[in-house]
Amino acid sequence: DADVTQTPRNRITKTGKRIMLECSQTKGHDRMYWYRQDPGLGLRLIYYSFDVKDINKGEISDGYSVSRQAQAKFSLSLESAIPNQTALYFCATSDYRVNEQFFGPGTRLTVL
Amino acid sequence: AQSVTQPDIHITVSEGASLELRCNYSYGATPYLFWYVQSPGQGLQLLLKYFSGDTLVQGIKGFEAEFKRSQSSFNLRKPSVHWSDAAEYFCAVGAAPAASKLTFGTGTRLQVTL
Repeated sequence: DADVTQTPRNRITKTGKRIMLECSQTKGHDRMYWYRQDPGLGLRLIYYSFDVKDINKGEISDGYSVSRQAQAKFSLSLESAIPNQTALYFCATSDYRVNEQFFGPGTRLTVL
Repeated sequence: AQSVTQPDIHITVSEGASLELRCNYSYGATPYLFWYVQSPGQGLQLLLKYFSGDTLVQGIKGFEAEFKRSQSSFNLRKPSVHWSDAAEYFCAVGAAPAASKLTFGTGTRLQVTL
């Protein structure tokens, strides 16, 4: 079973709709991250959380919000989706014991 | 602010040829450096990482990278490329501890010709 899972894997939605992307992990890591990937731009950090009570904005947080429901769950929301939020979204986890980030399989989001 | 530059957007090599992918970074302290690979339609897989110690690090799939502080570089190398190495490669720099807040380069897409 995958250690970092993302749901849904693919989503097509319309402009103005509210969308939630979910991430769960069984690695027991305390730190979780959301990135978006756009062609030619690499991965950019949206939000990150170092524990359940800690939420921090990343490089490109405008238009997004997050919720850390438990140590193992970190959700990303688009309150009112717009076409330029069409991208591949990745969740990742890490902790001090392993000093690397582990990535989920990604969610491909298309906003029409 | 930390940053990563991968100057080559796209590289084509023949199977069996050697490979070097370039990565330059900017970071205020000792960097944590990573190379990830993304195969088509897949997530990111860690190839190798550098924190300290020996500046030549070995990774999975026969890859290695060399940290050169004086050049702010962390180039990825492989002596003989296989067709299955075709993918996109990302260099990243992060903060200690826990490799938090990674900053990624824009990636290099590798094409392998037979």
